[in-house]
Order: sequence, then C-alpha cells, then structure tokens
Amino acid sequence: SAVISQKPSRDICQRGTSLTIQCQVDSQVTMMFWYRQQPGQSLTLIATANQGSEATYESGFVIDKFPISRPNLTFSTLTVSNMSPEDSSIYLCSVEGTGIWDTQYFGPGTRLTVL
Amino acid sequence: QKEVEQDPGPLSVPEGAIVSLNCTYSNSAFQYFMWYRQYSRKGPELLMYTYSSGNKEDGRFTAQVDKSSKYISLFIRDSQPSDSATYLCATHTGTASKLTFGTGTRLQVTL
Repeated sequence: SAVISQKPSRDICQRGTSLTIQCQVDSQVTMMFWYRQQPGQSLTLIATANQGSEATYESGFVIDKFPISRPNLTFSTLTVSNMSPEDSSIYLCSVEGTGIWDTQYFGPGTRLTVL
Repeated sequence: QKEVEQDPGPLSVPEGAIVSLNCTYSNSAFQYFMWYRQYSRKGPELLMYTYSSGNKEDGRFTAQVDKSSKYISLFIRDSQPSDSATYLCATHTGTASKLTFGTGTRLQVTL
C-alpha cells in the first residue's frame, strides 16, 4: 500500500481565514480523494482529484470553498477558504489502491479547529 | 435514510472475547465491501475487503457479507486491548471508486 503524509497534522485557525492542506504520496497514483470526517459522522467525500483535470466535487461542496490542486501524480492540496467554526473537522486525503478491489488508502488526517 | 447504517457504540468487551461488528446497507448495487480500523488521531487503515457475498478470513478477523439481507459483519476472535479503535464499514458499486462509509463503531477491549 502507498505511504501517505499530510501537512499540517493539526491547526487552529481564525474565522474568515483560509488553510491549505498538503497530501504527499510515495508513489504515483491517478486518483486522489479528499474527505471530511466530522465528529459522530461518517467520512464524507469532498472531491476527487485527477492529475491534469479539474477536481470533481460531490453534492454540497463547491470549488470556491474547497479549491483543490493536483499538480502531479504524487501531490495534492485542499484549501478550506473563508473558514467558519462549522468547518472544524478532520480532513483526510486518500489514494486508490491497485488491483481489482478499488480500495482506498488514507493519510493520517489534518485536524482543523476554527475559532 | 443513510445508505450505510452502523451502530456507533461504544462497544466494550473483555480481553479474549469474540467481537461482532455490523453494518446494514440499502443500495443493492453495492458489490465491494471493506472494513477500516481507525485509531484515535490516526487515519483509517484498511483491514479487510470482500467482494459480493461470502466470508473472508485473515488471522483473527473474519469479514462476512450477506447480500440477500444487505448485512455486513466483522468478527474479531480473541480480542486484544490493541484492537480498541473505531471500525468503519465501507462499500461501493465497483463502477467508480467513491466509497460510502458507515459512521463507525467505537470498540473498547478491556483487560
């Protein structure tokens, strides 16, 4: 399985500011995913990021709020823009597994608190 | 109604017990089923995966899928304190990589 790292691991931010989260993979992958994990709720897919194309956002998530970059096959960023306390959550990136199972492997997550 | 339902727990068992974790789902198109383990302040770690109905065993862990009743189970034998974590079931249709997760069950194995 791929080794995935995220930066920062945690942050405390002020309302109205933006935070960019980085996701680095130790091997080239076509598809990368960004999830949000709120307390007591299931992981929710924000968007799918393919290298060389615009990210595909899920219902309820928009590019202006969560812009994503995917400059190469090993790296992606998610920005949480104009933050409010409701954005306090864990943000996770994941990458597709290999083989027929279409599994995903997750990074350690970024714990975000917005004051 | 959520597509995947999972009892959040917490579930507390003594060391050595057999643990049964379960999920139900509503979409009959789901074909691939996974269990992730998530320790506190860590990302989810893929534990088991199965395709369609049937059982799959890996050491102390057994994953079971019953598509007729839309029921997913994970059994842990001889549970250990190190098994204390949140267990998330996940599934997808196989036509895309979008995973649908349950909310996770928090398991505590006590000495």
